[in-house]
Amino acid sequence: NAGVTQTPKFQVLKTGQSMTLQCAQDMNHNSMYWYRQDPGMGLRLIYYSASEGTTDKGEVPNGYNVSRLNKREFSLRLESAAPSQTSVYFCASRSRGGFTDTQYFGPGTRLTVL
Amino acid sequence: KNEVEQSPQNLTAQEGEFITINCSYSVGISALHWLQQHPGGGIVSLFMLSSGKKKHGRLIATINIQEKHSSLHITASHPRDSAVYICAVRDSGGSNYKLTFGKGTLLTVNP
Repeated sequence: NAGVTQTPKFQVLKTGQSMTLQCAQDMNHNSMYWYRQDPGMGLRLIYYSASEGTTDKGEVPNGYNVSRLNKREFSLRLESAAPSQTSVYFCASRSRGGFTDTQYFGPGTRLTVL
Repeated sequence: KNEVEQSPQNLTAQEGEFITINCSYSVGISALHWLQQHPGGGIVSLFMLSSGKKKHGRLIATINIQEKHSSLHITASHPRDSAVYICAVRDSGGSNYKLTFGKGTLLTVNP
């Protein structure tokens, strides 16, 4: 059971380049999330997917797009990277059942935009 | 939008000390989460609370819904407890899918 996996772990882009961050979970969870974490700020939600086939904007969606490819995979795309998108990106999935409600996080992608 | 405040921002303790980290929020919630972020960056869920108190090993989390406040306690702290502890809340109204996160408390436990 790998949990939540993310690729790549590190990436350096030049302003204007595009890239896709990949995320996959093997726990059969319906809900998946993309967050960014910046120094001095809490985790902020970029986009989420409540279930396969649906996606919704979070708190900071500008400059990003997402695709829920299937139940396992949820990708985040930067179409034209900007220095303000330098951050650590975390993917997460959510497990709900009975009295439990747990978010499982991937290891993160550290992105630098020059 | 819920405002989540954690205190203190930074905390340094000696091994064996009792630790308390506080979290307050501004709007009614359906659940509060405590998470731990290791120095390497990985984030792990510790607790989910909607009322009362939960205990797991040396960690105890409490919540007071009326006062909109939660505390995370660590008994007999150890250097391996050094991490950032993050509080997050799920609003009782609006989308059930979103969490609002505090900025975290950096805990350093010295041997």
